[in-house]
Amino acid sequence: AQKITQTQPGMFVQEKEAVTLDCTYDTSDPSYGLFWYKQPSSGEMIFLIYQGSYDQQNATEGRYSLNFQKARKSANLVISASQLGDSAMYFCAMRVWGGGNKLTFGTGTQLKVEL
Amino acid sequence: GAGVSQSPSNKVTEKGKDVELRCDPISGHTALYWYRQSLGQGLEFLIYFQGNSAPDKSGLPSDRFSAERTGGSVSTLTIQRTQQEDSAVYLCASSPYNPTGSEQYFGPGTRLTVT
Repeated sequence: AQKITQTQPGMFVQEKEAVTLDCTYDTSDPSYGLFWYKQPSSGEMIFLIYQGSYDQQNATEGRYSLNFQKARKSANLVISASQLGDSAMYFCAMRVWGGGNKLTFGTGTQLKVEL
Repeated sequence: GAGVSQSPSNKVTEKGKDVELRCDPISGHTALYWYRQSLGQGLEFLIYFQGNSAPDKSGLPSDRFSAERTGGSVSTLTIQRTQQEDSAVYLCASSPYNPTGSEQYFGPGTRLTVT
């Protein structure tokens, strides 16, 4: 079975600072993908970034980067230059290629960006 | 282009009644997923469709829950004899068929309240 652990229920960051949201995962399958989604208070789930287990380089998408440490089974999200609009719940998720197509989600981290 | 749409956005029902939740995926997306988001359980996978077939129903919590998909497009999630523990936000997602790496695009959800 797959498991995603997000140990930070809430985080605060000052505007324009960088913040790291932690995610660790557990799977015995060698082929998997890791995803981060943002859920603002409006409720929609917004895809941010993807990392495949065989990708050699860390994924980046604009101000988002994924710090992928395969040996430690961690996939932390780094948001640079935080903005007030980044305040939201952030979910780490995993999909195992041999385990169907479902996403397994962590419990989420509530990020609050302050002035 | 149009995203995933879900209806109704909110549904209040009495315990014991049946409800139907509808999902319209992004045009051309062959994969469709239902998830449930509740305070106690977080985000849980319910069922996955590829075309009109459901190769993974492992997340349906009981036989009161069923889902179908017709024409490889619209899907309906039906909950019979609703219980208070069914209260949650039901999220639908779709993706192109891609065994690796394809993110899932989520709809806005249906908030179900069972009184």
